[in-house]
Amino acid sequence: DGGITQSPKYLFRKEGQNVTLSCEQNLNHDAMYWYRQDPGQGLRLIYYSQIVNDFQKGDIAEGYSVSREKKESFPLTVTSAQKNPTAFYLCASSPLGGSGDTQYFGPGTRLTVL
Amino acid sequence: KQEVTQIPAALSVPEGENLVLNCSFTDSAIYNLQWFRQDPGKGLTSLLLIQSSQREQTSGRLNASLDKSSGRSTLYIAASQPGDSATYLCAVLTGANSKLTFGKGITLSVRP
Repeated sequence: DGGITQSPKYLFRKEGQNVTLSCEQNLNHDAMYWYRQDPGQGLRLIYYSQIVNDFQKGDIAEGYSVSREKKESFPLTVTSAQKNPTAFYLCASSPLGGSGDTQYFGPGTRLTVL
Repeated sequence: KQEVTQIPAALSVPEGENLVLNCSFTDSAIYNLQWFRQDPGKGLTSLLLIQSSQREQTSGRLNASLDKSSGRSTLYIAASQPGDSATYLCAVLTGANSKLTFGKGITLSVRP
């Protein structure tokens, strides 16, 4: 059963804490992405990775960090430096380089800061 | 910087109506344009992808068109059903790094 999984579905964080969101894919895709979605807003790109052990900042990388130690995994850490982290976080993956390739999305993690 | 606009933000129609959702983008140098569906609290599902060399794509009751030179796309939904109620997002792929730029989406409600 191929696809993208994200865990947990809901996450609560106290101010000052770092939290890590999990994203795993078994589609054998090279590229993986993290997006943030706020109410009434489109998706904004946080980080992306096209190959293991390499990643690039997106439009809103401040206060976030990622790693890509394995092809199938791309965890996102929301650090205490992120001042307004409450949002819906979506992970996606895609084959690399083709203009006809879409991105496949996970079910999302809703993060709430208490 | 690429910007994608979807207007209106919300739309309510009676069941059975044919409808058109609009999307515009500022930079015509795109690789493709995609329409996604998002149900409340869920991830995105790809509906249609139109490559830059294509004019339209069809899937069932959905038809998407692309006019790259004018920076516009439309998603046509025929014979709308309550199950079509969702948010529809338009996104364009630009640049060598497969970067998608999203619109804010149109929340569609189809009334029985």
